[in-house]
Amino acid sequence: AQSVTQPDIHITVSEGASLELRCNYSYGATPYLFWYVQSPGQGLQLLLKYFSGDTLVQGIKGFEAEFKRSQSSFNLRKPSVHWSDAAEYFCAVGAYNDYKLSFGAGTTVTVRA
Amino acid sequence: ETGVTQTPRHLVMGMTNKKSLKCEQHLGHNAMYWYKQSAKKPLELMFVYNFKEQTENNSVPSRFSPECPNSSHLFLHLHTLQPEDSALYLCASSQGGLLQGNTEAFFGQGTRLTVV
Repeated sequence: AQSVTQPDIHITVSEGASLELRCNYSYGATPYLFWYVQSPGQGLQLLLKYFSGDTLVQGIKGFEAEFKRSQSSFNLRKPSVHWSDAAEYFCAVGAYNDYKLSFGAGTTVTVRA
Repeated sequence: ETGVTQTPRHLVMGMTNKKSLKCEQHLGHNAMYWYKQSAKKPLELMFVYNFKEQTENNSVPSRFSPECPNSSHLFLHLHTLQPEDSALYLCASSQGGLLQGNTEAFFGQGTRLTVV
């Protein structure tokens, strides 16, 4: 079965600074990888996804993520954060021929002025 | 707005009450899911329905009873819950099914459940 680890529980970053959130997955075959964001009181919104092809994927709100098979990682990045990026971020992994997603525990991002 | 609507948004219930959570999607998706989100824990998949058939029950206690009358609606019936069942319950849907591989899941805003 697949699993996801997000090593950082909480990250604080200054507005305008860069952001990187780590995600490590465990799965025996080629994974389908996702990053979701959850603002307070809201459901999860998909930021980006990786199924195949180019290992650097672009998402909404200026986010990007890079799939590194050798490191079993799918880290999320943003060059310059905005105060509205304060939220909880979840990495998820799915598998071909399956329709379940396994989520990490999430990373809370706080943006300071 | 993701196209997945959950009602109610907030629910407070006593341990002897019976209540239901509702989820509705008009995205034409064939798979629907219930997830439980507790603080600082990974989302826990509870149930999966694919073409109205339950295909996954992730060892969920019987005090949670799902119902999927059609591909657009999913319910979670609650009875004799415990305080530790307090959480955010998220509904999701996707186009992916057993033979189609995994695709993007769309989530509702969730129902914040408090059991007193």
